[in-house]
Amino acid sequence: QLTQSPSFLSASVGDRVTMTCRASQGISNFLAWYQQKPGKAPSLLIYAASTLHSGVPSRFSGGGAGTEFTLTISSLQPEDFATYYCQQLNTYPFGGGTKVEI
Amino acid sequence: QVQLVQSGAEVQRPGASVKVSCRASGYNFVIYDITWVRQAPGQGLEYMGWNSPYNGLTSYAQNFQDRVTMTTDTSTNTAYMELRSLTSDDTAVYYCARRAPYYYDSSAYYPNDYWGQGTLITVSS
Repeated sequence: QLTQSPSFLSASVGDRVTMTCRASQGISNFLAWYQQKPGKAPSLLIYAASTLHSGVPSRFSGGGAGTEFTLTISSLQPEDFATYYCQQLNTYPFGGGTKVEI
Repeated sequence: QVQLVQSGAEVQRPGASVKVSCRASGYNFVIYDITWVRQAPGQGLEYMGWNSPYNGLTSYAQNFQDRVTMTTDTSTNTAYMELRSLTSDDTAVYYCARRAPYYYDSSAYYPNDYWGQGTLITVSS
């Protein structure tokens, strides 16, 4: 089980934002983060908890291990307003998502 | 470039079955697994399972084990997901995605790096 918080996050362009994903049991660093925009398929941002997927801007960063993980956007850009999901890479469930809104 | 193209939207009756296709191009289809994920209207992502085109191995999420079948046809580079005994709760967008190995610090990770465009399945009488 993965629990994401907050469910909704209000922010402005240029803000630094951080969201959390908590696992019900330790999963080492077997975690991925995805971004999903309305009406579109998710896209991979990060795997192994902190490794940026090819082509993902460096303002995105992931951290954590065990049961607590974070996704940080260092300076929010207009195209970053979306919903973010974590996924456990052992048994593959998703968290409930964090929607980043203006 | 890697592409996954899914079949079109469908409306099905309660109790019926649906089979969604996902045609892959731009990479060696046989060596990457295909994952299926669904998303009910206004809801989050729900993992359904994955299937290997290489050896036919499957792994289904517990919620779907009794009524889902995932297959592949390597002659046409197409993956299929069949869901049976549909109810209104199965109304959702269904996505296929490539499950690819990424290596970091001597471990292998299998995130979903390319996704299909999604197929809306509506279950209604």
